[in-house]
Amino acid sequence: GEDVEQSLFLSVREGDSSVINCTYTDSSSTYLYWYKQEPGAGLQLLTYIFSNMDMKQDQRLTVLLNKKDKHLSLRIADTQTGDSAIYFCAESTDKLIFGTGTRLQVFP
Amino acid sequence: NAGVTQTPKFQVLKTGQSMTLQCAQDMNHEYMSWYRQDPGMGLRLIHYSVGAGITDQGEVPNGYNVSRSTTEDFPLRLLSAAPSQTSVYFCATSFGGPQETQYFGPGTRLLVL
Repeated sequence: GEDVEQSLFLSVREGDSSVINCTYTDSSSTYLYWYKQEPGAGLQLLTYIFSNMDMKQDQRLTVLLNKKDKHLSLRIADTQTGDSAIYFCAESTDKLIFGTGTRLQVFP
Repeated sequence: NAGVTQTPKFQVLKTGQSMTLQCAQDMNHEYMSWYRQDPGMGLRLIHYSVGAGITDQGEVPNGYNVSRSTTEDFPLRLLSAAPSQTSVYFCATSFGGPQETQYFGPGTRLLVL
């Protein structure tokens, strides 16, 4: 069945890089996504990668996709306190399946 | 252009009560879906709709009903609320389907006593 897993917490110092990891099970996923949820709000799309790509860079964000291992990662360069949020990866087939979310805490 | 709106923002129910969570969008999106968010479990898909008159079940449909009589509205009904349905509920929409960018509403926080 479909299952998307993430670690629950990540704590980084301001200015360092953050790497949030995700594993998924459905090899037929067409797109993989990263969403950000700030406190008390809904989710907002951060970035996505098509399943035939290995990497995508978008300003401070870098997405890496390892299809063989079904592993997706999101790297945030120069992490700021405003990046503190919950980050969800998601895979899409005929439905959109979300991971459990990783709470990123950035400390000064 | 309000985007995706959800009402109410917060609701307290007693076990056995019924209620409807409203979701409306003004973006002419065909695809609409309901998720519940629980600590440590992420978002789980309850029901979804690919267009007016068409609905289907997600991962956790039991205890919930939906209908889609118009493109704009996708209400979620709890016929007999249970404490296990205490959660935050999000409506999400997209133009074509799950493979497109989802636009989320602000959420409804539901507490069932």
